[in-house]
Amino acid sequence: EVQLVESGGGLVQPGGSLRLSCAASRFTFSSYSMNWVRQAPGKGLEWVSYISGSSSTIYYADSVKGRFTISRDNAKNSLYLEMNSLRAEDTAVYYCARGYCSSTSCAQDVWGKGTTVTVSS
Amino acid sequence: AIRMTQSPSSFSASTGDRVTITCRASQGISSYLAWYQQKPGKAPKLLIYAASTLQSGVPSRFSGSGSGTDFTLTISCLQSEDFATYYCQQYYDYPYTFGQGTKLEIK
Repeated sequence: EVQLVESGGGLVQPGGSLRLSCAASRFTFSSYSMNWVRQAPGKGLEWVSYISGSSSTIYYADSVKGRFTISRDNAKNSLYLEMNSLRAEDTAVYYCARGYCSSTSCAQDVWGKGTTVTVSS
Repeated sequence: AIRMTQSPSSFSASTGDRVTITCRASQGISSYLAWYQQKPGKAPKLLIYAASTLQSGVPSRFSGSGSGTDFTLTISCLQSEDFATYYCQQYYDYPYTFGQGTKLEIK
């Protein structure tokens, strides 16, 4: 079964940094684009970032642009999200999700269970 | 950014009912519209993509329609396992955006 497993969440102070990881298994990771999507407590879904299979194309939500960096290591079947200058409003469950694409437009067909990031002093 | 507006935000229904959820985009998105189901404490699940294509393994009681700016998700005969929150998402242009969600509760 195709699987995504996130890790790296935790409690961090405002202004701090955190690196999330997502381990992929049972599919050809390099052939798929990947995304991070988050969900604040009791709130809806917010798309955060996209990276193409080759890492040649990257997009961010305005809310995280300049603070977060998405990357991947296809040799390790892993996706990452480096989060800096964290704010209270970044508190959320962070999901990694596989892109299911028609040309360059991608829904997300496989999701991990999520990792929780809490930004608080 | 393209804004996605769902209606209603929540409603109650009974097992066996036919229900329809509406999603409107602030600009045309062709058919680049997905629907997701999310249950409490769980990750979202892709139900429909390309506005009307059922994802593999999703029951046929789910259907989607629409193009341009107006879309609907219909559940033809509600089952107990369908009570959840549903989100639409446009993937026509970045940043991808979700609707605010529709919480479907048992009457």
